[in-house]
Amino acid sequence: GESVGLHLPTLSVQEGDNSIINCAYSNSASDYFIWYKQESGKGPQFIIDIRSNMDKRQGQRVTVLLNKTVKHLSLQIAATQPGDSAVYFCALSTNAGKSTFGDGTTLTVKP
Amino acid sequence: DTGVSQNPRHKITKRGQNVTFRCDPISEHNRLYWYRQTLGQGPEFLTYFQNEAQLEKSRLLSDRFSAERPKGSFSTLEIQRTEQGDSAMYLCASSSSGTRFREQFFGPGTRLTVL
Repeated sequence: GESVGLHLPTLSVQEGDNSIINCAYSNSASDYFIWYKQESGKGPQFIIDIRSNMDKRQGQRVTVLLNKTVKHLSLQIAATQPGDSAVYFCALSTNAGKSTFGDGTTLTVKP
Repeated sequence: DTGVSQNPRHKITKRGQNVTFRCDPISEHNRLYWYRQTLGQGPEFLTYFQNEAQLEKSRLLSDRFSAERPKGSFSTLEIQRTEQGDSAMYLCASSSSGTRFREQFFGPGTRLTVL
């Protein structure tokens, strides 16, 4: 079956620095790879996704990189802000919409 | 439309009791998902609907769990004979079935505590 793991459960960065959150997966059959952000007391919020036939996608202040050779996914956040403090999950999704989530990395942004 | 709503937000029950949670998705979304999340872990898929049809169920969804979406709008998740291990946050999400189907919008969750 699928499994998703994050490299570090916690990450602390200085405000204004760039953040990189990493994720490893085991199943290559996923159609999409997705990053979610979850703030305390709220449900996860979609940030960005990348199709399995791509290796990079950019959004507003965020970039997702996909390396299918080593089954690795990363989320880069530029100029990290205090509002970026949250738990970040990577998820694998099929075309049917079912998503398999990893366990999350807690990002703390220090002022 | 203010997004996905879930009721109640918190539920405390005694072991052996039945509980029911409700999810109201974003009105134009025809896909609806239920997940369970325990502290420190990512959400675990339970089941999903396209309109009123339940298309997939996880093996986590034991026979004590049942979900319905009778008219293709709101959904209910019922847990019968609750056990302490059922204590978790139950999340509902919805999405369209078009090109943005993978962008799931989550509700705030229902936190269940089984005593």
